[in-house]
Amino acid sequence: GIQVEQSPPDLILQEGANSTLRCNFSDSVNNLQWFHQNPWGQLINLFYIPSGTKQNGRLSATTVATERYSLLYISSSQTTDSGVYFCAADTRSSNTGKLIFGQGTTLQVKP
Amino acid sequence: NAGVTQTPKFQVLKTGQSMTLQCAQDMNHNSMYWYRQDPGMGLRLIYYSASEGTTDKGEVPNGYNVSRLNKREFSLRLESAAPSQTSVYFCASSEMGGNQPQHFGDGTRLSIL
Repeated sequence: GIQVEQSPPDLILQEGANSTLRCNFSDSVNNLQWFHQNPWGQLINLFYIPSGTKQNGRLSATTVATERYSLLYISSSQTTDSGVYFCAADTRSSNTGKLIFGQGTTLQVKP
Repeated sequence: NAGVTQTPKFQVLKTGQSMTLQCAQDMNHNSMYWYRQDPGMGLRLIYYSASEGTTDKGEVPNGYNVSRLNKREFSLRLESAAPSQTSVYFCASSEMGGNQPQHFGDGTRLSIL
């Protein structure tokens, strides 16, 4: 099945800094999503982005499907951005929504 | 608009006991999913239901059963709980098909002694 790898595994930032999180996947995808798990354990869907670029406030994401990677950009980070960021993918041949999750990037933003 | 609601939020069981985790969504979504999250790991799919009346296995289905009761509700049952099933369980839903964002409930923290 598809493999999803995220980097870096851990990231520490000072408030106001920018960061880039990477997600590599081993097969063609028709479904690529980014989630934020906050310190209380809640999972929030940030982006559904199988290809192209999307922006939502200080966050943006780009997926280059032909090269099998996706990037999540966080600009002007805030302490509330802390938590774990997951990407998850479903293969083009599957089309069932059966997401395979990466191991996550743990982000700590210090005031 | 509550989104995806899971009950209970916390539960402690003894080995061998049975338990049903409940999930309901009010977004009129067709597809529903059950995941488990173990410490320091990403989520793994247990079972999913593409639409009312259908269910299918995910990555880690052993030891679990599911019921899609109606369009709103999707329950997960542990028939004979084992310590290896200690985890946080998440339910999610999406509109029909694979090409849709998934929305998650707040999770059920389950400990099996």
